[in-house]
Order: sequence, then structure tokens, then C-alpha cells
Amino acid sequence: RKEVEQDPGPFNVPEGATVAFNCTYSNSASQSFFWYRQDCRKEPKLLMSVYSSGNEDGRFTAQLNRASQYISLLIRDSKLSDSATYLCVVNNIDYKLSFGAGTTVTVRA
Amino acid sequence: DGGITQSPKYLFRKEGQNVTLSCEQNLNHDAMYWYRQDPGQGLRLIYYSQIVNDFQKGDIAEGYSVSREKKESFPLTVTSAQKNPTAFYLCASSRQGGMPEAFFGQGTRLTVV
Repeated sequence: RKEVEQDPGPFNVPEGATVAFNCTYSNSASQSFFWYRQDCRKEPKLLMSVYSSGNEDGRFTAQLNRASQYISLLIRDSKLSDSATYLCVVNNIDYKLSFGAGTTVTVRA
Repeated sequence: DGGITQSPKYLFRKEGQNVTLSCEQNLNHDAMYWYRQDPGQGLRLIYYSQIVNDFQKGDIAEGYSVSREKKESFPLTVTSAQKNPTAFYLCASSRQGGMPEAFFGQGTRLTVV
């Protein structure tokens, strides 16, 4: 079983729509969780950290469910510029960062 | 400006040659990582290091070697034993403790010719 699994998508949504997707992780001892954004042929960049209580950053909301071992990302009022691949990242107690394969989101006009 | 620098951006290698990819960070981070990304796929961990003079194999270490002689530097050597080395290589670093988000270099595209 992979350490981090994501629905690869693609999610193809119109501008203004809401899109949400999950990421599951296998190690119950995982400590920290992040969402990264990766544009085509570029390096990943941190979108947001995921806190136990859930957190928002503008149009983006991240949630953590430790009991079911998943994190989620919700994007409200999608913009064309939100088109990217979103990577789920889990940090374990040994500071090994594990990445999911990514969820591709395409926002159309 | 603090950051993480990879060089070169593009690298061409003949079959049978070893090549070394450079990664330097001035963020004072303890942990450093090397990932490989193939087209349309996610990141796969090659090696990581939590402290100077120590490193661990990731999921796909075969055909690669690393060293961590200085905190700032974590070079990756792609050896001739790596059967399919053409890929996008990403180096990252993170601090330890708290929320250790990773920062990435701009990557090196290696092509075997």
C-alpha cells in the first residue's frame, strides 16, 4: 500500500465552481500534513499547511481527519489560475516527506 | 535571499556516464531530500538526509548515490547503474520540528543521449 494516495483526477470544472478532493495516508503516526501546488514543468510550491482544527486561506480550505487518515482540500470560486496539480504531502516522525502522485485540476472559462 | 539552488537546470548525459547534480541551500535547514519525477507522475523519494554525514535511502535509491558533508549541500550522483535516468530531479530542504514544510529548488532535467 502506498504511503500517500490521491485521486489523480483530472477534475475539470468551470470558473466559479467549487472543487474538493482527498488524500489518504497509511501511517497513523504521521505528524504533519501539507498541500503543494505544482504547475507544469515547475517545482512544487507550498500552498498551505494542514492543521488539526482545519484551516482556511482565502478560497482554499484544508481539513484533517486523523481517525480516517485523510486530508482534504476544497477550492471555492475557482479561477483559471487555479489550474494545476495539487500534491498531498505527509511528514512522518522520522522527517521523511512522502508525496502523493497529485490531483490535476483544470478550470475552464 | 534565502533559498535552495539546483544546478544545472538542464543536463545531458551519455549512456554509461556518471553525473552529479548540485543542490545548495542557505535556509539553515537540517533535512534535505532528492526526488525524481517522471512525466505525468508524482514525486518519488531517492534519498534523504536529516543531519550532516548521515542519509537514508528512499523508495528508489538503486543507481544513485549522495553525500552530506556540509549542512548546506546535498549532491546527487546518477550512476551508470541507473537504467532509466532521464527524468526531472528535484531537491528540497526542510527544518525539523514544528511544521516542517519543504522548499524546493527549480529542478534539473536530465536527459540521456
